[in-house]
Amino acid sequence: QLQLQESGPGLVKPSETLSLTCTVSGDSISRSFYWGWVRQSPGKGLEWVGDIYYSGTLRYNSSISSRVAISMDTSTNQFSLKLNSVTAADTAVYYCVRPRRITIFGVVVFPYDSWGPGIRVTVSS
Amino acid sequence: DIQLTQSPSSLSASVGDRVAITCRASQNINIYLNWYRQRSGKAPELLIYAASAVHSGVPSRFSGSGSGTDFTLTITGLQPEDFATYYCQQSDRDVSFGQGTRLEIK
Repeated sequence: QLQLQESGPGLVKPSETLSLTCTVSGDSISRSFYWGWVRQSPGKGLEWVGDIYYSGTLRYNSSISSRVAISMDTSTNQFSLKLNSVTAADTAVYYCVRPRRITIFGVVVFPYDSWGPGIRVTVSS
Repeated sequence: DIQLTQSPSSLSASVGDRVAITCRASQNINIYLNWYRQRSGKAPELLIYAASAVHSGVPSRFSGSGSGTDFTLTITGLQPEDFATYYCQQSDRDVSFGQGTRLEIK
């Protein structure tokens, strides 16, 4: 069974870089097409951060695209998120996700069928 | 960017009730629409993908319908664990989520 687990510091100072890692177990990271990140600010809804395709193609939310970078390391079965110049608005629970490739009704879709438990990150001095 | 608007934002219901939540997209997204349930303090769980396909292991009381810009999640026979927040998500152009619908016990 596929399992995802986020790790990283729970407290980051304003203007610094938030760095998180998602460790994948139960399958090889190379076997899935996409890996991604979603965040949720306190008391708010879900916000897509971005994702990385197995080929290395990247997609980011346009609202943070100038500050974010996602990468993957097949040797450690992990993928990572870096968000620089953070402010209090970046305080959130960050989830890593696996979009599963499914062909149905003549189309290919990528619903998020696996989620990590989430890691709470607070931006504060 | 594609905007998703859910309605209602919150609703109250009782165990055993039938409820429907709608999600409207700002442009045509075909059937690239998924639904998630998020229980308090937990990660979201996939319920429905491609607008109407029920994810493996999800109870049959959950169903989805729609295409284009208008979609509906229906829960028939609410159970205690269904009192949670529900989100729609589109993946036609990048990814975005609706603002959520909070389902509370009446």
